[in-house]
Amino acid sequence: AQRVTQPEKLLSVFKGAPVELKCNYSYSGSPELFWYVQYSRQRLQLLLRHISRESIKGFTADLNKGETSFHLKKPFAQEEDSAMYYCALSALPNAGGTSYGKLTFGQGTILTVHP
Amino acid sequence: KAGVTQTPRYLIKTRGQQVTLSCSPISGHRSVSWYQQTPGQGLQFLFEYFSETQRNKGNFPGRFSGRQFSNSRSEMNVSTLELGDSALYLCASSLEEAGVSPLHFGNGTRLTVT
Repeated sequence: AQRVTQPEKLLSVFKGAPVELKCNYSYSGSPELFWYVQYSRQRLQLLLRHISRESIKGFTADLNKGETSFHLKKPFAQEEDSAMYYCALSALPNAGGTSYGKLTFGQGTILTVHP
Repeated sequence: KAGVTQTPRYLIKTRGQQVTLSCSPISGHRSVSWYQQTPGQGLQFLFEYFSETQRNKGNFPGRFSGRQFSNSRSEMNVSTLELGDSALYLCASSLEEAGVSPLHFGNGTRLTVT
């Protein structure tokens, strides 16, 4: 079974401060990890994925297999970063089995960046 | 390209009735996934279809079913509705299998069961 935990339901920071949204996962195989974001009155959309190893809107996330974590970080938060953030996990294509083809989402973290 | 389109946006049904939700994926996308979103449970996976085949199913009762057509459009059906089925139902499409390609979500169908 696969499980994603986002321990913080709410996170508040001030503009310009660093921000870290935590994500821990439980999965016995090789995971692919994602961060999805939902801005106010917009649809859920992909922010970044582990396999791409890219920085989007200043956000980065590093997969730590030892700690089974995929925390999302940004050095200087902006007001427009205020949104709901979801961490999600899927099995890698060569893993097969019943986990492949579905994403398991965490409960989400609401990030508020104050001016 | 047009995004994922879900119809209807809102539905109000009575317990015991059945409902069909529709999803039109992004043109060229072959995979369609369905999720149920509630305040208490968050986003829960219902099922995924790829090239008209259901490849994976979440832990939902058999009252929840779906299908995908040859043009990749998908429908989800819930029979014998219960109050607990009230939720936002999200459809997402991806170019290849979900988990390989990123998911593109629709705006959802808000189902209220009274």
